Parts: sequence; C-alpha cells; structure tokens
Amino acid sequence: AQRVTQPEKLLSVFKGAPVELKCNYSYSGSPELFWYVQYSRQRLQLLLRHISRESIKGFTADLNKGETSFHLKKPFAQEEDSAMYYCALRGDQAGTALIFGKGTTLSVSS
Amino acid sequence: GAGVSQTPSNKVTEKGKYVELRCDPISGHTALYWYRQSLGQGPEFLIYFQGTGAADDSGLPNDRFFAVRPEGSVSTLKIQRTERGDSAVYLCASSLTWGNEQFFGPGTRLTVL
Repeated sequence: AQRVTQPEKLLSVFKGAPVELKCNYSYSGSPELFWYVQYSRQRLQLLLRHISRESIKGFTADLNKGETSFHLKKPFAQEEDSAMYYCALRGDQAGTALIFGKGTTLSVSS
Repeated sequence: GAGVSQTPSNKVTEKGKYVELRCDPISGHTALYWYRQSLGQGPEFLIYFQGTGAADDSGLPNDRFFAVRPEGSVSTLKIQRTERGDSAVYLCASSLTWGNEQFFGPGTRLTVL
C-alpha cells in the first residue's frame, strides 16, 4: 500500500537550532517526493520536490531509497519557518494523485 | 495573476442536505484535483480531472459524492444527503497538466450539523 508517515505531530525548536522533519514512505515503484508548507492563514504551497534537488528558504531534503525516507532539514531555524509541513508522494504512473502524510507542526521560538 | 479560488469559503448545512462546492482553477490549467482534509489529517485525494473528464475518481468515498467539470475549467463538487462525517476542509488544486506543480486554493470549510 502507498503510504506517507510523518511520525512527529509537533516539533518545537529555538531560533538558530537545526531542524529535521521526518518523512518515511511506502511505495513499490519509483515515486516522486514533495514537501508542502502551510503558513498561518495561508494556502498550502509547494516547498520543494526531490527531483529538483534545490534548497528553498534554506531547506533541503534528500531522497534515501534504501531507508525510504525524505527528511526535511534546515541548519538554522528562523521564527518565520513556523508552519505546518506535509510530506507527499506521487506514484510513477501517469495520472496518479498526491498522497499526503498527516503533517508536522514546526514551532520556532526565540 | 489570480490563483485558484474556491467558493464558498465556509458552508454550514444540516444533516441530509445537498451541497455544492465550487473551484475556479488557474486559467489554462488542464488538470484539476479535489482533496478533503479532516481535522488533524493531511489532504486526502478525492478526484482528478484532465480537461473535462474525470481521469481518476478512486478517492470518492461513496456514491453521495460527485464532481463535474463540464467545460474543462470550473469544477463543482456535489455532496448528496450530507452526513456529520463529511465535515472537513475541501481543497481544490490545479496544474498545467498532470506532473506539473499543483497550486492549491484556500479551501471550503464544510460543517454538517
């Protein structure tokens, strides 16, 4: 079965501390992995996707096929990073939809 | 330019009533998706349109749910005989075509009393 697991419901860190939001997935083929973010009172938006291998707002994520993980990392958290983060998977067959995890709330305090 | 819009932003209805939720995608986007997000959960796929046709409706929970996109632009999600368990935020997203970045609307919060 296709599944995305985000084990942490809430992650609280201090400003300047490193952040790692965990994401594990279950999929038998070659999926595409994404991180979406939802800031307070804003709509869901794409943060990054594994195929682009970019760093967005200081965040990076590496797809580890051996561990079936796609953890989101940032070396120094900022207060404006506080938001809800969703990991999502899309299968490799044309037309398949996104499968989301339950999300992790990141809270960065000073 | 204008993003994906959804109306109404909030809908309160009584158990057993019929509701329609509307989605206006970004102009030129041929792919349109509906998701449902219950409290404490991530978005859950309902249905995907490519153009006017429903390419994948495997996420619709039962036959009380139906969606249309008659002209390949605006889409309407229709729920018959609403139940309290239908209460959720219904999200719409569009993309240029399948495989491109999905842009989400603000959602419609449906409350069934």
